Amino acid sequence: EDQVTQSPEALRLQEGESSSLNCSYTVSGLRGLFWYRQDPGKGPEFLFTLYSAGEEKEKERLKATLTKKESFLHITAPKPEDSATYLCAGASNDYKLSFGAGTTVTVRA
Amino acid sequence: GAVVSQHPSWVICKSGTSVKIECRSLDFQATTMFWYRQFPKQSLMLMATSNEGSKATYEQGVEKDKFLINHASLTLSTLTVTSAHPEDSSFYICSARLTANEQFFGPGTRLTVL
Repeated sequence: EDQVTQSPEALRLQEGESSSLNCSYTVSGLRGLFWYRQDPGKGPEFLFTLYSAGEEKEKERLKATLTKKESFLHITAPKPEDSATYLCAGASNDYKLSFGAGTTVTVRA
Repeated sequence: GAVVSQHPSWVICKSGTSVKIECRSLDFQATTMFWYRQFPKQSLMLMATSNEGSKATYEQGVEKDKFLINHASLTLSTLTVTSAHPEDSSFYICSARLTANEQFFGPGTRLTVL
């Protein structure tokens, strides 16, 4: 059975305090590792897709990396508007997504 | 581009009634859409895969007679929660597949069953 585990559950940061979120995965025939941002009461917003170990992608203050067992989302010098729940998901060989429980990030000014 | 809408955004209904939720891909055609359910502080759980012109496929443990899915066109899928009960109260989110490996999510529908 496919499994995606995220840690920590919650992260409280001071503005400008960089940190990393972890996503461990066991997904059969991984077709891609996805990162989404979800604001309260909203649907997930696509951030990145990573396909192979060693791949990195960046968008503004966010950078996602991938190994054979884990993915990391690095937040550099976060701002309050980066506060959200960040979801990791693995696509299996039938392209269905298995989601982790998410990491809720709170950035204080 | 790649915008997905849902209607309604929230709904309150009485126990025993049925509720229909619409999912539309606004600027692309989607032969496949997905329905997810999310309970508070939990992640998205895939309920079913909706295929245009054919029957939906349901994940293990999801009652197909309770959660009716219709994918009548390339831009519309509907989820009907039949005989809703308080335990069906949840956040229902759809996604539409643009390519094999790209899904775009709707804003979600909050269902509260009294």
